[in-house]
Amino acid sequence: GENVEQHPSTLSVQEGDSAVIKCTYSDSASNYFPWYKQELGKRPQLIIDIRSNVGEKKDQRIAVTLNKTAKHFSLHITETQPEDSAVYFCAARGGFKTIFGAGTRLFVKA
Amino acid sequence: DAGITQSPRHKVTETGTPVTLRCHQTENHRYMYWYRQDPGHGLRLIHYSYGVKDTDKGEVSDGYSVSRSKTEDFLLTLESATSSQTSVYFCAVKTTSTDTQYFGPGTRLTVL
Repeated sequence: GENVEQHPSTLSVQEGDSAVIKCTYSDSASNYFPWYKQELGKRPQLIIDIRSNVGEKKDQRIAVTLNKTAKHFSLHITETQPEDSAVYFCAARGGFKTIFGAGTRLFVKA
Repeated sequence: DAGITQSPRHKVTETGTPVTLRCHQTENHRYMYWYRQDPGHGLRLIHYSYGVKDTDKGEVSDGYSVSRSKTEDFLLTLESATSSQTSVYFCAVKTTSTDTQYFGPGTRLTVL
């Protein structure tokens, strides 16, 4: 079945450094790739998304890249801040279903 | 928050008892979803609905059923709860204009 793999499972960076989270997907029909941030005890919140007809998208300190040929997409956070500490989920959607990665716990050390 | 509420927010029940979780939305979204979230597994789709009385199974549907008799309500039922169903359950809606999913606040279910 469809699968989304996400790496790393845990990431620790120093404040001000960049963080990169990578995902791969299996369903070649996937055409929409959202990223969610989840703080402890809260609901997942959409932070950025990208569609299959776009290779890169940026929103302030956050960027996402997509390589459809390789079925890879990545989240880049620059100038990390302590409030970026959370769990981040990638996802891939084809048809009605969205498949989520297992999540990356990001720690930003002040 | 896309007008999504879930009830109850917390529930403790015993093995073998039936449990129903409710998701309510106020923005007339056609698509609704139930996920469970467990450490190390991310969000896994249980069931989804693409309209009133139109539902389908997700990747972890065994032991769960759903019903959608009105656009605004999507019910998830555990017919006979087991300890393996202890989890946090999230409802979500999807906008048709942007394909974006928005999540409800979640229900923490503990089955003893």
